[in-house]
Amino acid sequence: AQSVTQLDSHVSVSEGTPVLLRCNYSSSYSPSLFWYVQHPNKGLQLLLKYTSAATLVKGINGFEAEFKKSETSFHLTKPSAHMSDAAEYFCVVREGNAGNMLTFGGGTRLMVKP
Amino acid sequence: EAGVAQSPRYKIIEKRQSVAFWCNPISGHATLYWYQQILGQGPKLLIQFQNNGVVDDSQLPKDRFSAERLKGVDSTLKIQPAKLEDSAVYLCASSLDSHRGPAGFFGPGTRLTVL
Repeated sequence: AQSVTQLDSHVSVSEGTPVLLRCNYSSSYSPSLFWYVQHPNKGLQLLLKYTSAATLVKGINGFEAEFKKSETSFHLTKPSAHMSDAAEYFCVVREGNAGNMLTFGGGTRLMVKP
Repeated sequence: EAGVAQSPRYKIIEKRQSVAFWCNPISGHATLYWYQQILGQGPKLLIQFQNNGVVDDSQLPKDRFSAERLKGVDSTLKIQPAKLEDSAVYLCASSLDSHRGPAGFFGPGTRLTVL
């Protein structure tokens, strides 16, 4: 069975400082991992995905994530936060033998202070 | 490229009433998913279609929820009768096939409020 744990329900940073959103996963098989962003009253948007290629994945808007199998982690980072980054972020795992369905983490709300 | 379309965007009903949501996936996408997102939680898969067949409906409360995709394109999700705990955003997603998952193609959702 697959599962995802987002370690922080809320993260608050100042504009221009680094962002770290933590995610740990559990999977019986080699998983694919994703980060999605959801702005208020907007649909889910894919930020980046890991599908067993390079372990450091670059996404849109300056975000990146590193797949660490030994730590079962897929943390999302950005060097410098922007006000427009304030949103809800979801870490997602997909296991091939689970019908390819996505399992979402509980979400992390990122707040960016001026 | 047009995205996944959903309607209505918002719906308010009283408990025990019925409601239906509609989804039009991206053209050519064989796989369609319905998710339920309760406030403060991540989306939870309700049902997955491959063309007009059901692949996974293990988390669909079948006593009150039903979904169909008769012609393998559009889909409807129905709740009858609705309960207070059904208040949530209902998300539709699509992908070319089940091997790739809905990586990036989510609709805007329908926000349901049950009073």
